[in-house]
Amino acid sequence: AQSVSQHNHHVILSEAASLELGCNYSYGGTVNLFWYVQYPGQHLQLLLKYFSGDPLVKGIKGFEAEFIKSKFSFNLRKPSVQWSDTAEYFCAVNAGGGGADGLTFGKGTHLIIQP
Amino acid sequence: GAGVSQSPSNKVTEKGKDVELRCDPISGHTALYWYRQSLGQGLEFLIYFQGNSAPDKSGLPSDRFSAERTGGSVSTLTIQRTQQEDSAVYLCASSRDRVRQYFGPGTRLTVL
Repeated sequence: AQSVSQHNHHVILSEAASLELGCNYSYGGTVNLFWYVQYPGQHLQLLLKYFSGDPLVKGIKGFEAEFIKSKFSFNLRKPSVQWSDTAEYFCAVNAGGGGADGLTFGKGTHLIIQP
Repeated sequence: GAGVSQSPSNKVTEKGKDVELRCDPISGHTALYWYRQSLGQGLEFLIYFQGNSAPDKSGLPSDRFSAERTGGSVSTLTIQRTQQEDSAVYLCASSRDRVRQYFGPGTRLTVL
């Protein structure tokens, strides 16, 4: 079975600070990796995804993530956060190569950006 | 275009009653998923439909939970004999390519 671990449940940063949210997954096969974001009062939106190829993927709003296979990690980064980045961030995985398709989510990281 | 829609947006019910939650996926999306989001458990996968194939029910927490998808489009999640621990936000998602999932706004279920 798959599992996803997000190390930070709550993160508070000031505007313009750099961000890195940790995500590790447990699964023995090929995986697809995702970061989803849920802004206050809104529904889940896809930030970025990794299927194959370049392990450094770029998403919307200046976010990027790097897949490090040897570490089973897919950490989310942004060099300079904005107040509008305040949200809940979820790392998720499902089996690649046509396997089981339901997403397994981490518990989420609540990010608060202080102006 | 129109996104995934869910109804009702909020549902309050009494313990022991049955409830039905509805999901309208994005037109043309063949895959449909149900998830549950609760404070204690986070986001959990419940069930997945792909075309006319048998659904993947591996995430359903008990036999009180069931789901149907009629005509490959609209889906209904039914919870029988609701319990207080069923209180959560129930999310539906649909996908065209089985990888990128588009989520609806959810139905907030409160069991008194």
